[in-house]
Amino acid sequence: DGGITQSPKYLFRKEGQNVTLSCEQNLNHDAMYWYRQDPGQGLRLIYYSQIVNDFQKGDIAEGYSVSREKKESFPLTVTSAQKNPTAFYLCASTKIDSNEQFFGPGTRLTVL
Amino acid sequence: GQSLEQPSEVTAVEGAIVQINCTYQTSGFYGLSWYQQHDGGAPTFLSYNALDGLEETGRFSSFLSRSDSYGYLLLQELQMKDSASYFCAVRVPFTGGGNKLTFGTGTQLKVEL
Repeated sequence: DGGITQSPKYLFRKEGQNVTLSCEQNLNHDAMYWYRQDPGQGLRLIYYSQIVNDFQKGDIAEGYSVSREKKESFPLTVTSAQKNPTAFYLCASTKIDSNEQFFGPGTRLTVL
Repeated sequence: GQSLEQPSEVTAVEGAIVQINCTYQTSGFYGLSWYQQHDGGAPTFLSYNALDGLEETGRFSSFLSRSDSYGYLLLQELQMKDSASYFCAVRVPFTGGGNKLTFGTGTQLKVEL
């Protein structure tokens, strides 16, 4: 079955620690995205990648970093510079010319 | 930048019809999408309108008026499983090339018996 996997589903970290969230897709999609969702809010774009080895900052990139070394993988690192990292993080992918984004199940990060 | 407005909450009874409106302000516009998200789950794609008019997919329809910067999602024959949050999202050019979605804050739909 094709899809997007994110792990882990729940993640707890101490304040000041960096943490990396994984996102893998086997849909052969070129573009991948990271979003952040806070309670009762919409999704806000953190980073975007159209192709391997290329990525661009979204609307709220400060305190986050990404890499795109393989087409299938787009990990997100939440650094200690992110002032309020507790949130629900969603990864998505799409074909370049498609109108539909496919989302992973999300990772709920709690920083204690 | 972009801004979208949609009602925060709508309540309707099972079997009824409900309309969720979305107005937007954006520089650059390719189209309007709708996504459904159940509590704790991933958003799933419902529809996309690039041109004015109504698009129908089963019980769900979506409408767009580009001149009015307005769209709506119409849900017919409501079922309990339709209780979820519904997000409108504008597809706009991305400064670095390609395009991106900017989401509204979502409308929580509660379907009652």
